[in-house]
Amino acid sequence: DTGVSQDPRHKITKRGQNVTFRCDPISEHNRLYWYRQTLGQGPEFLTYFQNEAQLEKSRLLSDRFSAERPKGSFSTLEIQRTEQGDSAMYLCASSPSTRAYEQYFGPGTRLTVT
Amino acid sequence: AQKVTQAQTEISVVEKEDVTLDCVYETRDTTYYLFWYKQPPSGELVFLIRRNSFDEQNEISGRYSWNFQKSTSSFNFTITASQVVDSAVYFCALRDSGGYQKVTFGIGTKLQVIP
Repeated sequence: DTGVSQDPRHKITKRGQNVTFRCDPISEHNRLYWYRQTLGQGPEFLTYFQNEAQLEKSRLLSDRFSAERPKGSFSTLEIQRTEQGDSAMYLCASSPSTRAYEQYFGPGTRLTVT
Repeated sequence: AQKVTQAQTEISVVEKEDVTLDCVYETRDTTYYLFWYKQPPSGELVFLIRRNSFDEQNEISGRYSWNFQKSTSSFNFTITASQVVDSAVYFCALRDSGGYQKVTFGIGTKLQVIP
């Protein structure tokens, strides 16, 4: 396993711009999750995919946020019209169907909105 | 609703001391899973352990041990003979049977091991 990878690792953007992050899960992991982590806090659940289906979304995921996993492999998280409050670390995790309770996290994408 | 409380925000110990990180959880479910994750300064969360609600047997893995007590809704984590490499933020987390796969994390305990 090469682990969960995320791209980019860091993103600085101006308020109002759109950003897109990518997550590549561990191969053959059919479950994929997005979390957001702000400084001094634990990760907060955003959304969950099983294969290509988005099965759960947090209330934290406002209309400006959208996530996709079109082929059940990699996933993208887009934030439109970014706000300073969106500045955070965005974490992706994946888990296999046989051990769905074990989530393996990627290194995260740190977003800074200026 | 599920909740995880880690009352200790920061702990400092001298190398080789033992240290216990506390975790208290709340859930209405009778079936749930508890986890501990380590987040070193590099930032990547590392899975340490999972326990399910119907298995209260304590577990030891090297210098790490976990004490799960349903009666007090606690899942504490002890590091024996701490080392500088143990310095990290440690998160306790909970997943219950409600919803699909949402995991609720505590705020984390920052452990600093001083040489």
